Amino acid sequence: GENVEQHPSTLSVQEGDSAVIKCTYSDSASNYFPWYKQELGKRPQLIIDIRSNVGEKKDQRIAVTLNKTAKHFSLHITETQPEDSAVYFCAASGHNNDMRFGAGTRLTVKP
Amino acid sequence: EAGVTQSPTHLIKTRGQQVTLRCSPISGHTSVYWYQQALGLGLQFLLWYDEGEERNRGNFPPRFSGRQFPNYSSELNVNALELEDSALYLCASSSTGAGANVLTFGAGSRLTVL
Repeated sequence: GENVEQHPSTLSVQEGDSAVIKCTYSDSASNYFPWYKQELGKRPQLIIDIRSNVGEKKDQRIAVTLNKTAKHFSLHITETQPEDSAVYFCAASGHNNDMRFGAGTRLTVKP
Repeated sequence: EAGVTQSPTHLIKTRGQQVTLRCSPISGHTSVYWYQQALGLGLQFLLWYDEGEERNRGNFPPRFSGRQFPNYSSELNVNALELEDSALYLCASSSTGAGANVLTFGAGSRLTVL
């Protein structure tokens, strides 16, 4: 099945700086790549997603890039704010349509 | 529109007991996914149901099982509980067609095994 690796496991940035989280996947047939944010004690919430027919998608301070040839995708957060502090998960949907998640990145934004 | 609902929210069991967790998907969603999230760790894929059928299961022992009912709600059963089964069990649902794969999560059932 699909295997998703995510790096780094922890990331600490100063408020206003950018944060980048990277993921790789194994199934070349995967065609859907969402990112979820999980705040402490809460459920994961979808923040942005990308399908394999595009290379980049942006929503205000958040962007995702996809390189299908290399089988990796990244989350970019610009002008980080303390409320961006959370655990972020990438995921990939494999050829059999199930959803596998990366191990998560704990982002801390220092005021 | 009601979101994904899970019950119970918290429960405590002892080793060797059995537990059943329940999930009601968003109205119109036919797919239900179950994930295990141990404290501070990632989302481990357990089971995926669609249209009443088990479509795939993760790398968990057979004592983890479940089913999906005709109304698309789902149950997760765990037999012979072990201490390491203590975790947050998250259910998510998705639709088919244009919205396929977009998972919406429930708040989870937190299981503690003593």
